[in-house]
Amino acid sequence: NAGVTQTPKFQVLKTGQSMTLQCAQDMNHEYMSWYRQDPGMGLRLIHYSVGAGITDQGEVPNGYNVSRSTTEDFPLRLLSAAPSQTSVYFCASKNQGLNTEAFFGQGTRLTVV
Amino acid sequence: AQKITQTQPGMFVQEKEAVTLDCTYDTSDQSYGLFWYKQPSSGEMIFLIYQGSYDEQNATEGRYSLNFQKARKSANLVISASQLGDSAMYFCAILGTSYGKLTFGQGTILTVHP
Repeated sequence: NAGVTQTPKFQVLKTGQSMTLQCAQDMNHEYMSWYRQDPGMGLRLIHYSVGAGITDQGEVPNGYNVSRSTTEDFPLRLLSAAPSQTSVYFCASKNQGLNTEAFFGQGTRLTVV
Repeated sequence: AQKITQTQPGMFVQEKEAVTLDCTYDTSDQSYGLFWYKQPSSGEMIFLIYQGSYDEQNATEGRYSLNFQKARKSANLVISASQLGDSAMYFCAILGTSYGKLTFGQGTILTVHP
């Protein structure tokens, strides 16, 4: 059982480049989300999805795009990378209900130069 | 909107001692859940413990317990008998009725000394 799989683990981009961070889960979870982690700021929600075809913005959505065509996959697209997007990115999934924990991927360390 | 505040950027504890990590929250939801996660230096997020807003008992999971004071809007994590492997970043988080939106605090770095 793989859980939540994120790829790549590390990435270096040049300013202005675009890329997609991949996230897949095999637990049939309805909810999926993307966070970025910056020093001293905890994890901040970028975008989230409550099911296939349904996405919504989180706290820091600017510069990022998402789509959810299947239950399993929730890719995060950086449209035109900026140095301010240098961060560690986590994908998470959870089941419905208040008392179910979120499962996290291993994270992607992204550096924009 | 929901908010989590962790006021201790860093904490130190002696091995085998107990330590309390503070967490206060703010929410307008009547039903909500509080979570604690551990992030070791390797970077993964590990779920530790959950407390529901209507749970009458404080949650416990092995050496972890949650000191939940609803009126004070606090959900402090207590780690008993600290071990060297407990050295990590600890995050408190809240989930309200918008089930997809988990809100995290800034985290507390715990260092366990031998």
